[in-house]
Amino acid sequence: QKEVEQNSGPLSVPEGAIASLNCTYSDRGSQSFFWYRQYSGKSPELIMSIYSNGDKEDGRFTAQLNKASQYVSLLIRDSQPSDSATYLCAVAGYSTLTFGKGTMLLVSP
Amino acid sequence: DAGVIQSPRHEVTEMGQEVTLRCKPISGHDYLFWYRQTMMRGLELLIYFNNNVPIDDSGMPEDRFSAKMPNASFSTLKIQPSEPRDSAVYFCASSPAGLSYEQYFGPGTRLTVT
Repeated sequence: QKEVEQNSGPLSVPEGAIASLNCTYSDRGSQSFFWYRQYSGKSPELIMSIYSNGDKEDGRFTAQLNKASQYVSLLIRDSQPSDSATYLCAVAGYSTLTFGKGTMLLVSP
Repeated sequence: DAGVIQSPRHEVTEMGQEVTLRCKPISGHDYLFWYRQTMMRGLELLIYFNNNVPIDDSGMPEDRFSAKMPNASFSTLKIQPSEPRDSAVYFCASSPAGLSYEQYFGPGTRLTVT
């Protein structure tokens, strides 16, 4: 059973702070890693993908991957109230794709 | 581009009835995915198609669930007979390149089985 674990939260941060979201996975053969954002009552939307160890930055978002530790993280700089959502970590292997249950992020003004 | 289209958006039915959910993927996307999302189990991949052919249906929970993709622009997920534990949001997603690439999700169908 391939597992993807996330803290369910909520993670509460003040506006302007850095939000740090974490995800661990069990399958060492995993090759592709994604962060999806899901607003309440809406569908998931991809915000970051990462395929190799290290950091990948896109605007206010940075994804970090450490395959040795089987760990993926998402940093959101200068958090805004509009970032308040559930963030889903997804991990893909050769023929599988598993989502974590998500971390709820609340950004207070 | 219209994005992934799903219908109906909401479905309320009684236990034992047949339910059919519909999906139109983004034009040109060769992969189509069906997911189920509940609070308890999160987002689960049920089945996915490549070029209209089912590739992996290991996530389909029971024989009561079936999915078809008769052509590149249409897919159905059928539950027969439906049970209260099937109540969930069902998402369809499409991708130009498969499991390891970005997926575009439809708005979902909220199914309630009473």
